[in-house]
Amino acid sequence: AQSVSQHNHHVILSEAASLELGCNYSYGGTVNLFWYVQYPGQHLQLLLKYFSGDPLVKGIKGFEAEFIKSKFSFNLRKPSVQWSDTAEYFCAVNANNAGNNRKLIWGLGTSLAVNP
Amino acid sequence: ETGVTQSPTHLIKTRGQQVTLRCSSQSGHNTVSWYQQALGQGPQFIFQYYREEENGRGNFPPRFSGLQFPNYSSELNVNALELDDSALYLCASSLDFSPLHFGNGTRLTVT
Repeated sequence: AQSVSQHNHHVILSEAASLELGCNYSYGGTVNLFWYVQYPGQHLQLLLKYFSGDPLVKGIKGFEAEFIKSKFSFNLRKPSVQWSDTAEYFCAVNANNAGNNRKLIWGLGTSLAVNP
Repeated sequence: ETGVTQSPTHLIKTRGQQVTLRCSSQSGHNTVSWYQQALGQGPQFIFQYYREEENGRGNFPPRFSGLQFPNYSSELNVNALELDDSALYLCASSLDFSPLHFGNGTRLTVT
């Protein structure tokens, strides 16, 4: 069965620090990969996605993620975090042969707190 | 364009009761997915509706059922509520195979 593992459950950083959140998935075939963010009191929003092509994907608000197929990883990065990046971050995967985005498999989420 | 709206925002039910949650999809979207998110967990896929037909289902019992209407809005029905059904229920819409756009969710508490 497919699964998604997010390595860090809680991360605390100071402003301007660099961020990397780990995400690994278990599925041998072609996958679509997503990072979603949930700011306090708000709904889940798409940060970035990978379907195919350049494995380095740039998203909104300065975030990027790199798909490394050999490592089954899709880590999220940001060079310099801001207090406004405080949120819950979710990695999600679905098998590309599903043909659509049904049955996204989600990680448990990483809670990021950025101190001003 | 209007986003995904869910109602009600909060709901308290008693074990054994039935509940209906509603979702209006984002304008122009024809696919609706429902997820259950327990506290401290990631969302779990319940099912998806595409053009009024169920298009995939997760590991949820038959007492979880749904509908999609011609205007692509959707309902999630849960019969014979159990305490473990207490969770945030998320609705997400999309156009065909595009990424999901989520609503704010309905917080269901079963006592």
